[in-house]
Amino acid sequence: EAQVTQNPRYLITVTGKKLTVTCSQNMNHEYMSWYRQDPGLGLRQIYYSMNVEVTDKGDVPEGYKVSRKEKRNFPLILESPSPNQTSLYFCASSLSGDPLGEQYFGPGTRLTVT
Amino acid sequence: GENVEQHPSTLSVQEGDSAVIKCTYSDSASNYFPWYKQELGKRPQLIIDIRSNVGEKKDQRIAVTLNKTAKHFSLHITETQPEDSAVYFCAAPPEGTYKYIFGTGTRLKVLA
Repeated sequence: EAQVTQNPRYLITVTGKKLTVTCSQNMNHEYMSWYRQDPGLGLRQIYYSMNVEVTDKGDVPEGYKVSRKEKRNFPLILESPSPNQTSLYFCASSLSGDPLGEQYFGPGTRLTVT
Repeated sequence: GENVEQHPSTLSVQEGDSAVIKCTYSDSASNYFPWYKQELGKRPQLIIDIRSNVGEKKDQRIAVTLNKTAKHFSLHITETQPEDSAVYFCAAPPEGTYKYIFGTGTRLKVLA
């Protein structure tokens, strides 16, 4: 089954404790992206990747890191989480970034930072 | 920078009525205009999209219209049903930037 998976689905952590949210797709998509969803603010792009070893900042990259060492995986790293990073996070992938097309979303990761 | 404004933020309609959601974008380089539906507790999913070489696209009860001169596009849902209740997001990714810019969402409630 073609899909985007994320882990964990739920995470409660404390300020400053490094964490990684994994994202994997099995559709051989070139483009992958991370979004955060907050009430009233919609979906805001954190980082995106056009292909292996090619990443760039979205609109809200501060406090986050990403890597794309393999085509299928695009982990999101929070080196020192803070309470303002409490949010619902979605990973997504697209066949290509040029041109941009349909985004296939993962199930989401609800993160709480206390 | 690039910006996508979406209105209204909430919309309530009676079952069977039509619903219209409008988005305005700032970057004239945008050529792709998708709409996503997010049901409660679920992930966003594409319901319809349009590219700038066409002005309108229909798929059963949903349609999207595009006015490139005015830089706005709209989602039209006819004969609304309770299962249309969801949050709808538009997007207008500027060509060449590879960024995906979403609107802030519209919560649609269809009242039975």
